Amino acid sequence: EVQLVESGGGLVKPGGSLRLSCIASGFSFTSHTMNWVRQAPGKGLEWVSSLTSSSFYKHYADSVKGRFTISRDNAKNSLYLQMNSLRVEDTAVYYCARVGEGIQVMIMDVWGQGTTVTVAS
Amino acid sequence: QSVLTQPPSVSAAPGQKVTISCSGSSSNIGNDYVSWYQQLPGTAPKLLIYDSDKRPSGIPDRFSGSKSGTSATLGITGLQTGDEADYYCGTWDTSLSSGVFGGGTKVTV
Repeated sequence: EVQLVESGGGLVKPGGSLRLSCIASGFSFTSHTMNWVRQAPGKGLEWVSSLTSSSFYKHYADSVKGRFTISRDNAKNSLYLQMNSLRVEDTAVYYCARVGEGIQVMIMDVWGQGTTVTVAS
Repeated sequence: QSVLTQPPSVSAAPGQKVTISCSGSSSNIGNDYVSWYQQLPGTAPKLLIYDSDKRPSGIPDRFSGSKSGTSATLGITGLQTGDEADYYCGTWDTSLSSGVFGGGTKVTV
């Protein structure tokens, strides 16, 4: 079964850090670009970051640039999101998503169940 | 405010049809394909349409997509109560060098 499972969410104070993980199974992880997408409570989807299969290309939303770092370990079928200098507005459910075969980054054909990050004092 | 503009909500009776518009610009929809996602309450999004008008396997042909210029449209025919969800369009923006989504449209049946 093709599956993505996120973990690492939790409650953190403003200015703090958190590292999200996403473990992939059931497909060739090394063949796919991967994304992080978030959804603030009661709000819409927001693309956060993309990382190509070889980790050569990384892209970030302006809202997280300089604070978040995306990375992957293909040997462990794992995707990560290191989040530093967290702000209240970073509070959201964070989804890990697989990009389909090809170069279209916004074609996300497999999603995880999400992990909740709450930034509050 | 989202880069792509969608109506906040649309509604129709069971069996009827709805269309959801997604308006962008030359740096996003005008320059790339559009994807559509369905998010049922309390669940992760699901890919509904890709490359503006293609359906992944398992998606019924009641769902269709089209694109013209800087706008895209999702159509749902034969509405069912199970179609009640939020629908999002998404694409890449070359000026921003980032992915962008519409604000989402809530469909009520």
